[in-house]
Amino acid sequence: DIQMTQSPSTLSASVGDRVTITCRASQSISRWLAWYQQKPGKAPKLLIYEASSLENGVPSRFSGSGSATEFTLTISSLQPDDFATYYCQQYNSYSPWTFGQGTKVEIK
Amino acid sequence: EVQVLESGGGLVQPGGSLRLSCVASGFTFNNFAMSWVRQAPGKGLEWVSAISASTGSTYYADSVKGRFTLSRDNSKNTLYLEMNSLRAEDTAVYYCAKVPSSSWNMYYMDVWGKGTTVTVSS
Repeated sequence: DIQMTQSPSTLSASVGDRVTITCRASQSISRWLAWYQQKPGKAPKLLIYEASSLENGVPSRFSGSGSATEFTLTISSLQPDDFATYYCQQYNSYSPWTFGQGTKVEIK
Repeated sequence: EVQVLESGGGLVQPGGSLRLSCVASGFTFNNFAMSWVRQAPGKGLEWVSAISASTGSTYYADSVKGRFTLSRDNSKNTLYLEMNSLRAEDTAVYYCAKVPSSSWNMYYMDVWGKGTTVTVSS
């Protein structure tokens, strides 16, 4: 199975900060990567798919980049509603879907 | 509004069985693949199973293969996850999710339900 590793596991930041989360795949997945946001007690919410495509209704301060084995999720100016846990997920062809372990974005 | 709603969770003894349901609304259910993802208490997300829209071909994580069976009734807009031989490590919130394609292959999940809790304990 393809392993996904996120860094950091926890990130402390302030409102207005630029935040970057990294996700690395154990083998090339082209651009078959999604990012989700999850708040405590809630379901995950799709933010980004195909590495850099913004899901409808997601604020433009969220962006994704990368290909092959290294990907990033960037929040250009952190807002109070963005404090949450973020997961990457690969969906490479006929491989079991796997998620990163998550990155918790906390208030500094 | 596009949404999916899970039900059927509960407390079950190790070795027991449970059937989860997921009712879809707001979209043409038989045009889209569906999936289940679970989350153990305090842990991350783990994909469980997926099913294609029309052929009903299924795909399972190794951790549940041979114990869980995924099916769908397109006439009822409903997805089912039959879980047998349950173990303590199956304890989790189970999320139903829609895939934005008729095939699950090479796609992500764009609409998630609120989840249903399964607890396996004696």
